[in-house]
Amino acid sequence: DAGVTQSPTHLIKTRGQQVTLRCSPKSGHDTVSWYQQALGQGPQFIFQYYEEEERQRGNFPDRFSGHQFPNYSSELNVNALLLGDSALYLCASSLWGAGTDTQYFGPGTRLTVL
Amino acid sequence: AQSVAQPEDQVNVAEGNPLTVKCTYSVSGNPYLFWYVQYPNRGLQFLLKYITGDNLVKGSYGFEAEFNKSQTSFHLKKPSALVSDSALYFCAVRDRQAGTALIFGKGTTLSVSS
Repeated sequence: DAGVTQSPTHLIKTRGQQVTLRCSPKSGHDTVSWYQQALGQGPQFIFQYYEEEERQRGNFPDRFSGHQFPNYSSELNVNALLLGDSALYLCASSLWGAGTDTQYFGPGTRLTVL
Repeated sequence: AQSVAQPEDQVNVAEGNPLTVKCTYSVSGNPYLFWYVQYPNRGLQFLLKYITGDNLVKGSYGFEAEFNKSQTSFHLKKPSALVSDSALYFCAVRDRQAGTALIFGKGTTLSVSS
């Protein structure tokens, strides 16, 4: 049973550039959530996708956008990168409508903005 | 507003001794509560969750947690610590009436000495 996978593992960008991160959910899951974990902090919720639509969004600017594909995989896009966007980006998958369902996390993508 | 507090940045225990990692929460409605563990350069690994029912929840690797509604706490415990338990532990809460986003604490580093 494949767990949540993310790519790439590491990424280095410069300020002003754009980046795309990718996530494949755990087998049987249809919902993907993205979190940002800054150094020394707990993860912060960015947004959640189900049925290819953004269902819930945290307190992040419009520079952060996403997409979900018919196979449930998802992308996180960040435009006009800032130094403060340097963080570990975590993807979590779950099953929509299962109110008690657990979110399972991938290994993350470490983004460094120079 | 929802929030989670983990009052200790670090907990140190000797191998074989019991351990407790503290967590208190604030939500407007009824909470779902979770504990996750993070090893260096890894994503979050699910340990256990409280949904409803018995206040004592048992999870993976011998961990358990006790839900205390009056004290709004959900402390993580283990009767006998192992050196391999050394990691970063996160408490998270989800308000049942406020979507499925998880709100995380800042994390507590557990160090188990041999």
